[in-house]
Amino acid sequence: EIVLTQSPGTLSLSPGERATLSCRASQSVSSSYLAWYQQKPGQAPRLLIYGASSRATGIPDSFSGSGSGTDFTLTISRLEPEDFAVYYCQQYGSSPLTFGRGTKVEIK
Amino acid sequence: QLQLQESGSGLVKPSQTLSLTCTVSGGSISSGGYSWNWIRQPPGKGLEWIGYIYHSGGTNYNPSLKSRVTMSVDRSKNQFSLKLSSVTAADTAFFFCVRSLRGYSQVFDYWGQGILVTVSS
Repeated sequence: EIVLTQSPGTLSLSPGERATLSCRASQSVSSSYLAWYQQKPGQAPRLLIYGASSRATGIPDSFSGSGSGTDFTLTISRLEPEDFAVYYCQQYGSSPLTFGRGTKVEIK
Repeated sequence: QLQLQESGSGLVKPSQTLSLTCTVSGGSISSGGYSWNWIRQPPGKGLEWIGYIYHSGGTNYNPSLKSRVTMSVDRSKNQFSLKLSSVTAADTAFFFCVRSLRGYSQVFDYWGQGILVTVSS
């Protein structure tokens, strides 16, 4: 199965700053079948991005995804207070689908 | 607005079978183009996909759990269910029922709130 490695484990930033989160796959993810989710404490995850770069319904354009092959990036252009959370990447190009271990974006 | 709600026992003894049901409201489980999934998350840890079922009853399970998992669907009740047999403490987790994005069976856009299942004697 494909192993997804997310880095950094924790990202300490201030509101208004730019966040860059990395997701690296152990094998190429076919057709850029990669998604990103946001999870806040006590809540279910929320879909942000699928197909590596397509925003889900209702997701602000401050969130953007990019990448292909084995290297993918989630960028939050300007952090709002509600953006501090844990972010997971997920690949669905190979069976079984797998998730990364997450990157926590915390307030500096 | 689609809503999913998990229900079932929050405490299961080791070696027994965990049983959960997801009730769907605000939409029909019989609508085509979606998969209906179970995903779990041990407290403080990451996410693991368990498997999905279509309204037709077709299934796809994670190979790591396949020997212990059974999913079923009850279209008349707008529900789908999960059974996980021979549980151990390692199966303690929050269990989420999840609907996929239309046309993308493994991208997840509607989630239940989750239910904590503890495996303990």
